[in-house]
Amino acid sequence: GAGVSQSPRYKVTKRGQDVALRCDPISGHVSLYWYRQALGQGPEFLTYFNYEAQQDKSGLPNDRFSAERPEGSISTLTIQRTEQRDSAMYRCASSFYSGTSGFNEQFFGPGTRLTVL
Amino acid sequence: AQTVTQSQPEMSVQEAETVTLSCTYDTSESDYYLFWYKQPPSRQMILVIRQEAYKQQNATENRFSVNFQKAAKSFSLKISDSQLGDAAMYFCAYRSARTGNQFYFGTGTSLTVIP
Repeated sequence: GAGVSQSPRYKVTKRGQDVALRCDPISGHVSLYWYRQALGQGPEFLTYFNYEAQQDKSGLPNDRFSAERPEGSISTLTIQRTEQRDSAMYRCASSFYSGTSGFNEQFFGPGTRLTVL
Repeated sequence: AQTVTQSQPEMSVQEAETVTLSCTYDTSESDYYLFWYKQPPSRQMILVIRQEAYKQQNATENRFSVNFQKAAKSFSLKISDSQLGDAAMYFCAYRSARTGNQFYFGTGTSLTVIP
């Protein structure tokens, strides 16, 4: 596809269940980012990858959250033992290269809206 | 982490008029990039305009322009000839040129365009 895709678009789960959110970046994009956006707030950084290597996971709120990108393409964000406070839009983005120079624009996916009951 | 502040939770503008959205940020770095993103009701994230910190000239994209004041750490967005389609949430974002590629976003300004 031409853009970043995420699945599922909507996920409703019960408290205590595990969820896995998928991100398929733009083909050829080296870097992949995960953000969380609460209602009425800006996106908040969670973690990012260059190729398959996780470069920074400082934004993950606790050890129930993990992410992987085993082949340097598709990524999965997993939340274990979900809690109501995990309800938010989870947004993925990708960029063409891993360097910090230049704009290195991030292209955002449509997000997965997670609701924990 | 860098802090990005958008002090106007809501703004409104008459159609065809001009509106300015404010953004300030806190950083000790000298090299960085600044962005404005638009989020319409569809909740897409659409890049509006971007600015390199080392460039003094303010970026312009059609009806959108910025007023970048590096010393004041201010990066406001001006929308001229406002259109109904400009109604959206607008987010200011900061990205370091040295320490990593993640964006730091402000809390957003909700813009209403009045016909």
